[in-house]
Amino acid sequence: DVKVTQSSRYLVKRTGEKVFLECVQDMDHENMFWYRQDPGLGLRLIYFSYDVKMKEKGDIPEGYSVSREKKERFSLILESASTNQTSMYLCASSNSGSVGNEQFFGPGTRLTVL
Amino acid sequence: DAKTTQPTSMDCAEGRAANLPCNHSTISGNEYVYWYRQIHSQGPQYIIHGLKNNETNEMASLIITEDRKSSTLILPHATLRDTAVYYCIVRATFGNEKLTFGTGTRLTIIP
Repeated sequence: DVKVTQSSRYLVKRTGEKVFLECVQDMDHENMFWYRQDPGLGLRLIYFSYDVKMKEKGDIPEGYSVSREKKERFSLILESASTNQTSMYLCASSNSGSVGNEQFFGPGTRLTVL
Repeated sequence: DAKTTQPTSMDCAEGRAANLPCNHSTISGNEYVYWYRQIHSQGPQYIIHGLKNNETNEMASLIITEDRKSSTLILPHATLRDTAVYYCIVRATFGNEKLTFGTGTRLTIIP
């Protein structure tokens, strides 16, 4: 069974803290994605990666960075967390080269920044 | 990627067919129509995709109009577990792996 896992379901951090959100996939997928989801705004793409050590900005990259040192792992980093980064964060992965290449999502991490 | 328009919410009686519409009037020739759904407190789940022919799988059917400017997702016998937000997404194929999610349609299945 394909699986995308995220390190935490719930996380509470303080303003100014450095926050790491980890995502691991076991499907040998080339592509990995980080989204955030807020009420009324749907899912918005933060960053994505086509390959190890490759990254591209999505629609809302400000305040975030990412790291992909291994194919199966994609980390989202909040360098200095702020209250407006309180959100649900969703990681996804997909395979390249096929037309369908649907994205498989993890269960999400609900982050609260106080 | 082309923009999509979906109703904000819909209800459907349990056991009946749920028909979810989507408008994508600016779709271009190399763009596919994808449908995902998100059940409460879970990540989105892929349902189906198509280019111009109607498609069917174990979860749903996708009907795309001949001019490709709109489509309908059909859940043939809706159950309570189909209560979710359904997203219609239009996306180009090669060279573009991104999916742009809108706010979707909140489908509620009524017992």
